[in-house]
Amino acid sequence: NAGVTQTPKFQVLKTGQSMTLQCAQDMNHNSMYWYRQDPGMGLRLIYYSASEGTTDKGEVPNGYNVSRLNKREFSLRLESAAPSQTSVYFCAMKELAGGNEQFFGPGTRLTVL
Amino acid sequence: GEDVEQSLFLSVREGDSSVINCTYTDSSSTYLYWYKQEPGAGLQLLTYIFSNMDMKQDQRLTVLLNKKDKHLSLRIADTQTGDSAIYFCLDTGRRALTFGSGTRLQVQP
Repeated sequence: NAGVTQTPKFQVLKTGQSMTLQCAQDMNHNSMYWYRQDPGMGLRLIYYSASEGTTDKGEVPNGYNVSRLNKREFSLRLESAAPSQTSVYFCAMKELAGGNEQFFGPGTRLTVL
Repeated sequence: GEDVEQSLFLSVREGDSSVINCTYTDSSSTYLYWYKQEPGAGLQLLTYIFSNMDMKQDQRLTVLLNKKDKHLSLRIADTQTGDSAIYFCLDTGRRALTFGSGTRLQVQP
């Protein structure tokens, strides 16, 4: 996953705590995405950002906020974590030229107790 | 909105061929991808096909694209136990990356 970093890799939170998941890319992609993956549910889009300074809701945005401060970074914030947010979170990006590129960050495994 | 559908489960015997199917709705798709995910691991890019192609072969993998029916398939020849995983198709349409729900492939010895 060269060029795409996600931090942290693992996190355990208590219900009600807040945290921010960070994603950064050095591939100069315009569009960035946050997905969550739950067992048997596939990947579901939380939020996406078509370009710097813009964000849009995806399929499951409730309980999350995002920030696209610059082209490189797209962060996902949980203001008050709930056990239902226990999941694996993937950051992804898209380049219109497309092709044989790896789109995804390595994932963040989050457990909310 | 865009939608991508896959069957949830496929079981085959070792040495047989596996065919995993995917249907999508976004007519603006330019590239369609297949990803593999093993238990506890991230997403591994397997192969992709450009929307103006009908078929792409890559060693044991064959991707077929029927653009008229918006149907994509992944054929794995000589399936091995190491191929047991969840396979996701990914549609890179205009708006967002849209995943199928994933097909769990079980390979029986």
